[in-house]
Amino acid sequence: NAGVTQTPKFQVLKTGQSMTLQCAQDMNHNSMYWYRQDPGMGLRLIYYSASEGTTDKGEVPNGYNVSRLNKREFSLRLESAAPSQTSVYFCASSEDGTPFPYGYTFGSGTRLTVV
Amino acid sequence: QQQVKQSPQSLIVQKGGIPIINCAYENTAFDYFPWYQQFPGKGPALLIAIRPDVSEKKEGRFTISFNKSAKQFSLHIMDSQPGDSATYFCAALSGNTPLVFGKGTRLSVIA
Repeated sequence: NAGVTQTPKFQVLKTGQSMTLQCAQDMNHNSMYWYRQDPGMGLRLIYYSASEGTTDKGEVPNGYNVSRLNKREFSLRLESAAPSQTSVYFCASSEDGTPFPYGYTFGSGTRLTVV
Repeated sequence: QQQVKQSPQSLIVQKGGIPIINCAYENTAFDYFPWYQQFPGKGPALLIAIRPDVSEKKEGRFTISFNKSAKQFSLHIMDSQPGDSATYFCAALSGNTPLVFGKGTRLSVIA
């Protein structure tokens, strides 16, 4: 099925460990996004890539890095995980920066716990 | 500073009732206002969206009402069903900037 695929679905890290969250889309979309979801906080933008070869910071970029590997793939890296990064992470894509009328397509999320 | 303020945080309605979720914004440059629906364990999915040149949009049982002068928009769910129980997010953007989301409303529809 066409869509956004995130791996892994679940992960437990120890404080200080590093990991990369993977995201791939097969809809030939130009723009990709990483959001985190915390209880009562909604969805907050971490980083985004308006097109292949570009990345920009969002609202909460500290502690994260991203790589737009090619048009399909956009990864999120935690270099030294902290308990404050415990969250559900969602990757999304859109045809271009203006999502009307089809909106963003979200993956099913990665639930990350940092202990 | 929260760009899109959503209320209420949670809502319980009887089956057949009409839940209403409200959002307010300050940035007059916003020109796209979608609502997303999220079920537990899933990613958000686009439900309905509106541009500021219209005051209302209906898709099935879901309606967006938009008040440009008040900088507010709301989601109404007609004849709500238990299957509508989910978390709903309003959002907004201007031009090519990424979507900014409200904090979400957890809706429970009880039979």
